[in-house]
Amino acid sequence: DAGVTQSPTHLIKTRGQQVTLRCSPKSGHDTVSWYQQALGQEPQFIFQYYEEEERQRGNFPDRFSGHQFPNYSSELNVNALLLGDSALYLCASSRRPAGTDTQYFGPGTRLTVL
Amino acid sequence: DAKTTQPNSMESNEEEPVHLPCNHSTISGTDYIHWYRQLPSQGPEYVIHGLTSNVNNRMASLAIAEDRKSSTLILHRATLRDAAVYYCILRANAGGTSYGKLTFGQGTILTVHP
Repeated sequence: DAGVTQSPTHLIKTRGQQVTLRCSPKSGHDTVSWYQQALGQEPQFIFQYYEEEERQRGNFPDRFSGHQFPNYSSELNVNALLLGDSALYLCASSRRPAGTDTQYFGPGTRLTVL
Repeated sequence: DAKTTQPNSMESNEEEPVHLPCNHSTISGTDYIHWYRQLPSQGPEYVIHGLTSNVNNRMASLAIAEDRKSSTLILHRATLRDAAVYYCILRANAGGTSYGKLTFGQGTILTVHP
């Protein structure tokens, strides 16, 4: 049973560019959450998708957007990249309805903005 | 979201028990206590969760105070592979306003000495 997978593993972009990160949830999971983890910091919640809709959002600007596909996979898009967007982007999947929705994380995509 | 407080770091010797404390004095009656850990260069990993009663699984034990204002994650015999950042997180059950997102604190960096 494959766990959560993310692609690409690493990515280098320049300021002002746009980036798309991809996530495939664990088998049987229908909910995908995205987190940003700056170097040496804890993960910060960006947003969560369920039934192809954004259900919750953290304190991130509109430059961060996402999408969920009918097969439950998800994309995170970041426009107009800033140096401060350099971070590890983590995808987590879970299953609804579930009382406490334990989340399973992928290995992350390391984004470097130059 | 209710806040948790953990020590910044702890150290242990291999094959000794480790008790990682967490204070959550503002916990609500419907909040579950979750623990995740993040090994170096990996995404966070679910460890254990509980509501009121102590819990055991193959990875660890969770001891919850009677008033639920604190809890302790217990690793019965630490190994070098247990060296990680351990996060104590409060999660609302299904239907709560914070359902779906994990709010990470700074966590406890556990160092295990051979």
